[in-house]
Amino acid sequence: DAGITQSPRYKITETGRQVTLMCHQTWSHSYMFWYRQDLGHGLRLIYYSAAADITDKGEVPDGYVVSRSKTENFPLTLESATRSQTSVYFCASSERTGGYEKLFFGSGTQLSVL
Amino acid sequence: AQSVAQPEDQVNVAEGNPLTVKCTYSVSGNPYLFWYVQYPNRGLQFLLKYITGDNLVKGSYGFEAEFNKSQTSFHLKKPSALVSDSALYFCAVGDPIMEYGNKLVFGAGTILRVKS
Repeated sequence: DAGITQSPRYKITETGRQVTLMCHQTWSHSYMFWYRQDLGHGLRLIYYSAAADITDKGEVPDGYVVSRSKTENFPLTLESATRSQTSVYFCASSERTGGYEKLFFGSGTQLSVL
Repeated sequence: AQSVAQPEDQVNVAEGNPLTVKCTYSVSGNPYLFWYVQYPNRGLQFLLKYITGDNLVKGSYGFEAEFNKSQTSFHLKKPSALVSDSALYFCAVGDPIMEYGNKLVFGAGTILRVKS
């Protein structure tokens, strides 16, 4: 009953470095999402995916890249990290149904860019 | 575009008293509304949702929410607060993607502090 797991839990990096945050879910949910959480902004959507090989931009996609070659994995890459990308990142998933289903969230990755 | 507003950054309530966390929304079409809770150093957990039907929705941990279409509100309520209810609460609205998908647009969050 692993659910949705994110790694690493904490990450410190330097400006300009490439960083990849991992997300893995065991439910075979079709939809997966990446959000960032910042004080005063709540959660903002970075990218989402409706299925393997189908991804699209959310509200704040600049500086991020995603891929989804397998249903269960949805990594988020910061191509060249900037201090403004210091944040807590949450991955989420939901089922593909005819209704509006809830999201299941991972425990988050706290990223600090120095 | 869908949006939600949580007008209070923080709500303070005494243990045993009723609590209300406010949320208003703006949507085109039918609203699909959610409440999530986040405990320290944890991911968000689903509390309840309104899709259609009864305006009073019951959820986890004794929480309920009242949907009011005329006031475009979806306030979270609990008759008797517990210290363990202290957490960060998010209201969210569903924004449809593709045919069967839904992405959530979140409010900024409200910190609930329950004092004993």
